[in-house]
Amino acid sequence: DQQVKQNSPSLSVQEGRISILNCDYTNSMFDYFLWYKKYPAEGPTFLISISSIKDKNEDGRFTVFLNKSAKHLSLHIVPSQPGDSAVYFCAASARDDMRFGAGTRLTVKP
Amino acid sequence: DVKVTQSSRYLVKRTGEKVFLECVQDMDHENMFWYRQDPGLGLRLIYFSYDVKMKEKGDIPEGYSVSREKKERFSLILESASTNQTSMYLCASIPEGHSGNTIYFGEGSWLTVV
Repeated sequence: DQQVKQNSPSLSVQEGRISILNCDYTNSMFDYFLWYKKYPAEGPTFLISISSIKDKNEDGRFTVFLNKSAKHLSLHIVPSQPGDSAVYFCAASARDDMRFGAGTRLTVKP
Repeated sequence: DVKVTQSSRYLVKRTGEKVFLECVQDMDHENMFWYRQDPGLGLRLIYFSYDVKMKEKGDIPEGYSVSREKKERFSLILESASTNQTSMYLCASIPEGHSGNTIYFGEGSWLTVV
């Protein structure tokens, strides 16, 4: 059973609006959470992360929120840009382990 | 510049063949991983290794084995390839005590089993 779940396979938003990507996990041993962005024919690239001791981390247009009690995290992109169109993977990490969600394909329309 | 190198980018193999996918990292990382990526299923962990000669099963180890004889090299082995193993395979490495943003991925190996 997948330990990290992204229940929305796709999301479409208008340029300039907010994109919200969601992720749920089941294993309470995870202590670090990450978002990766992936373009076709390339490996994933790191976007933003959050430690389990925090509930929010912000980097420019990207903010990740963590709700540990709900085992839920989300990525907010504000404002969304057409270049943000990609597949976004949520990942959860323990010391020697890292698991990924199925990904959400974000399309930002001009 | 740090690197994770997957020796084969594109392979076509026949059902029943033995397949080796090689991954080498030059960063002296302890932890190495093999994932496969399939549409709608994302990145699924096959096997990982946290030290030489150590290996742990991931979410989908069936039909695969791994070898880590040297720290820099982590090999994924398909003993008898099947068509449902057609996929894109990604190798990754992370240092001990990583902070999450130091995971490095290879460029991927596209395997087609016919």
